Amino acid sequence: GAVVSQHPSWVICKSGTSVKIECRSLDFQATTMFWYRQFPKQSLMLMATSNEGSKATYEQGVEKDKFLINHASLTLSTLTVTSAHPEDSSFYICSARGTSDYEQYFGPGTRLTVT
Amino acid sequence: GQNIDQPTEMTATEGAIVQINCTYQTSGFNGLFWYQQHAGEAPTFLSYNVLDGLEEKGRFSSFLSRSKGYSYLLLKELQMKDSASYLCAVSESNYQLIWGAGTKLIIKP
Repeated sequence: GAVVSQHPSWVICKSGTSVKIECRSLDFQATTMFWYRQFPKQSLMLMATSNEGSKATYEQGVEKDKFLINHASLTLSTLTVTSAHPEDSSFYICSARGTSDYEQYFGPGTRLTVT
Repeated sequence: GQNIDQPTEMTATEGAIVQINCTYQTSGFNGLFWYQQHAGEAPTFLSYNVLDGLEEKGRFSSFLSRSKGYSYLLLKELQMKDSASYLCAVSESNYQLIWGAGTKLIIKP
């Protein structure tokens, strides 16, 4: 149990375009989802926390107008990178937590390359 | 402030034992996690400690001392596939995880 999927697993896009990444909890209801970014050889950086039906809480330094997060249901959260630039190229990972869980269950990650 | 420290890199020999330390200073504490992350992959859960003491799970054990703000991950009978980064993370009262930078473990034959 406790499976989280992400789609797509990798994407290449041109500078200036927008990319949407989906995160789904397949067998549990995720009351809270977290979006992380990881640059090569660095640790995970929390970008934002989202609770179903409410606005996401962004970490300091993360532009909420550039990284749009929608947690519309208990099983789906999306991250849209708007007007992507090459410096947005990174590994984006989501995780989800159920109501009574202490553990965060991670998706497999999405590798974004902006050319 | 919030701070989690762990060594940047460690090297060990196949079949041996290695201990990866983690010290933390956080405003709240709701448990400490250890995750394993292979290059290019998402982290996978290894252990969770919320009370003091040792939790053993197969070849992996994790220890916590809340009074000292200290934890370690102990890996026994090392295998080549254990080469990975090991991430220490502390859950604060709001269930967000504060992450250490990770320890890259290199296993040599």
